[in-house]
Formats: sequence, C-alpha cells, structure tokens
Amino acid sequence: GENVEQHPSTLSVQEGDSAVIKCTYSDSASNYFPWYKQELGKGPQLIIDIRSNVGEKKDQRIAVTLNKTAKHFSLHITETQPEDSAVYFCAASPTGKLIFGQGTTLQVKP
Amino acid sequence: EPEVTQTPSHQVTQMGQEVILRCVPISNHLYFYWYRQILGQKVEFLVSFYNNEISEKSEIFDDQFSVERPDGSNFTLKIRSTKLEDSAMYFCASTTNRGGSFGPGTRLTVT
Repeated sequence: GENVEQHPSTLSVQEGDSAVIKCTYSDSASNYFPWYKQELGKGPQLIIDIRSNVGEKKDQRIAVTLNKTAKHFSLHITETQPEDSAVYFCAASPTGKLIFGQGTTLQVKP
Repeated sequence: EPEVTQTPSHQVTQMGQEVILRCVPISNHLYFYWYRQILGQKVEFLVSFYNNEISEKSEIFDDQFSVERPDGSNFTLKIRSTKLEDSAMYFCASTTNRGGSFGPGTRLTVT
C-alpha cells in the first residue's frame, strides 16, 4: 500500500524566513497531494493541494511542487509569520482515501 | 462557509463499552471518511463511505467498527467493544471529489 514519509519532523525559523517541508510517496498510482495545517486542538485544515498533472501550484505565500518521477513533493512557505506556527501534514491519495505523512511541527519565532 | 461538525468533542468510556461518534458532513458532499490520530502520531485512514456503503477500509477497521448514515445527514462511527488502544482523536471528513474537509474531531478516552 501507499506510504508517505515527511521531513523534517520539527522546523524552527525566524519570522520572515522561508520554510520548506518535503514528502516522498511510494505508490505511483497516487495522483492527488494535499497539504493540511493542524493547530492545537483542531482538525486538519486544507491549505493547498496539487494533482499529478501539475508540477507546481502557488497561493500567495504558499507553494507546492511535485516531482512525479522522483515521487516527492514539497511545501514552501515564504515570509513566515508567527501564525504559521502549527503542525503541517502532507498526504497522498491513490484512491479517495488520504495517506498522511508523520507531520512537521513548524515554529516561527518572532 | 459550511463546516463538518462532530459530537461529542470528548468521550470518556470504560473498556468493553460501546461508543458512537457522530458527524454531520457538509450537505452537498458525497464521500465521507473517518480517520483517527493517536496522540503525537500521524492521521490514519479508517474507512470511506459512498452511496450508502463502505467503499474502502483499512486494517484498523476490524469487526469492532461500523459506520452508518442513518438519516441522510448524520454519519456515525460505532466501536462495539472499546479497547485501551482505541484512545485517539477521531476525525470525520467529507468531500465532493478528493481530499476532504475535516471536522474538529472527537477525543475518545478509554479507561
């Protein structure tokens, strides 16, 4: 079955710096890759997603890149702000279900 | 903006008891899911539900688990005889196509 690996597990950056989180997946049938942000005590919130027919997608300060050949995808957050501090999960979807990575705790220091 | 809602927010139960977790998906969504997250770990897929039947389930979703959409709006997860290792956050999600909008979760504590 699908397996998703996510790195790093924790990431600390200064406000204004960029943050990059990377994921790899195993199942070449996966064709949908969302990223979720989870704040303490809340459910995961979708922040951006990308489908396998696209290499890059951007939404304001957030961008995601996908390399299908290498089976990896990345989340890029530019100009980080303290409110970006949260746990970020990548996921891959070969069918309808989502297979999540282990999560990255992002801390943005003011 | 419509949201997925879940009740209760926290459920404490004794080992061996039955629990029912409830979810109200977003009204025009067609696909429904349950996921769980053991404290400090990743979110794990349990089951997907479409057209009034289970479309996929994980190894975790054994005979102790069942799902139901009893009235066209609610979507429930039942655990027949809870075990200590069932303690986790349970998230309901719904979508029209892929991904999913997640509810706030129910924290299940089995003592």
